[in-house]
Amino acid sequence: GIQVEQSPPDLILQEGANSTLRCNFSDSVNNLQWFHQNPWGQLINLFYIPSGTKQNGRLSATTVATERYSLLYISSSQTTDSGVYFCAVEPSFGNEKLTFGTGTRLTIIP
Amino acid sequence: NAGVTQTPKFRVLKTGQSMTLLCAQDMNHEYMYWYRQDPGMGLRLIHYSVGEGTTAKGEVPDGYNVSRLKKQNFLLGLESAAPSQTSVYFCASSYPWTGGSTDTQYFGPGTRLTVL
Repeated sequence: GIQVEQSPPDLILQEGANSTLRCNFSDSVNNLQWFHQNPWGQLINLFYIPSGTKQNGRLSATTVATERYSLLYISSSQTTDSGVYFCAVEPSFGNEKLTFGTGTRLTIIP
Repeated sequence: NAGVTQTPKFRVLKTGQSMTLLCAQDMNHEYMYWYRQDPGMGLRLIHYSVGEGTTAKGEVPDGYNVSRLKKQNFLLGLESAAPSQTSVYFCASSYPWTGGSTDTQYFGPGTRLTVL
């Protein structure tokens, strides 16, 4: 099946810093999503972004489908950004199922 | 709208006991999913359903059964619980894939299950 790799696995930053999280995938995709799992375990969808660039406040994401990677940018980090960020993809052969990466754990220090 | 809800939130079982986790959604989604999340890992798909009365196996289906008798509900059953099934279980729902922004999955709050 499709492979999803996220880097870095852990990231510790001071409040106010910027960060870039990366997601590499092994096959072409129909669907790519970024999720944030907060420290209480709740999973929140951040972006649906199989290609192109989107922005939502301090967060933005870019997927370069031809090169099989996606980037999540967080600017001016806040402590509430802490948690685990997951990338999930559905391959283009369309099995209606998302495959998740193992996540990047982000810790923002006040 | 309540979104996706899961019952119960926590449960402790002894090896060999059975239980059913309930997932309910009020967004009229066709698709529903059950995942498990183990420490340090992403979510792995157990079973999923693309409509009322249908179910299909995901990546890690062994030891679990599911049913989708009503569109809004998706049940996950453990017939004989094992310690290896200690995990956090998430339910999700979505519309069918259209190639657009509605293809997002919405997740419930999770059920933390411990099997002793």
